[in-house]
Amino acid sequence: EIVLTQSPATLSLSPGERATLSCRASQSLSSYLAWYQQKPGQAPRLLIYDASNRATGIPARFSGSGSGTDFTLTISSLEPEDSAVYYCQQRPNWPYTFGQGTKLEIK
Amino acid sequence: EVQLVESGGGLVQPGVSLRLSCEASGFTFSSYWMHWVRQAPGKGLVWVSRINGDGTSSSYADSVKGRFTISRDNAKYTVYLQMNSLRSEDTAVYYCARAASTTAAGIGGYWGQGTLVTVSS
Repeated sequence: EIVLTQSPATLSLSPGERATLSCRASQSLSSYLAWYQQKPGQAPRLLIYDASNRATGIPARFSGSGSGTDFTLTISSLEPEDSAVYYCQQRPNWPYTFGQGTKLEIK
Repeated sequence: EVQLVESGGGLVQPGVSLRLSCEASGFTFSSYWMHWVRQAPGKGLVWVSRINGDGTSSSYADSVKGRFTISRDNAKYTVYLQMNSLRSEDTAVYYCARAASTTAAGIGGYWGQGTLVTVSS
């Protein structure tokens, strides 16, 4: 099973700041990594697929990069509504594991 | 518009069975893999099971293998998760989700709202 390790566990930033979230895989994923955003009481929302492609309707301030084992989700200028837990997820290998999540707090 | 609506959750005692349903609409159901993902209270997301478009291939997480069975009825646009021998650690919100495309098994951006299963005596 591929293990995804996200860092940091918690991130506290102010509106307008830049957020950088990391996801490291225990083996190469090529570019098959996705990022999800989840707010309390809601289903996960797909932000990025295949490492760097924004899903439909996702604002341009969200971007993804990386390949192999190291991936990054960047939110260029934080908005209050970006407060959520962010998960990375791999899909080349069953089971399609998720990272443990990064909680982003907006001050 | 793609919609996925789960149902069937509830409070059950350990050892009993429960069947979850996920009714789909807005796309050609039989063309897509479908998935179940769960989330224990306050915890992260865990893949549970998947099934291909015609129902001939399925996979399970080790934690549920032998106890859970995924199936689908393409005429009813519904995927099911039969959960037997339930344990307290199966307590979670269960989400169904659709594959990203007709040519790939991996999950995409369409998820249901989830249904809560609580296993407790």
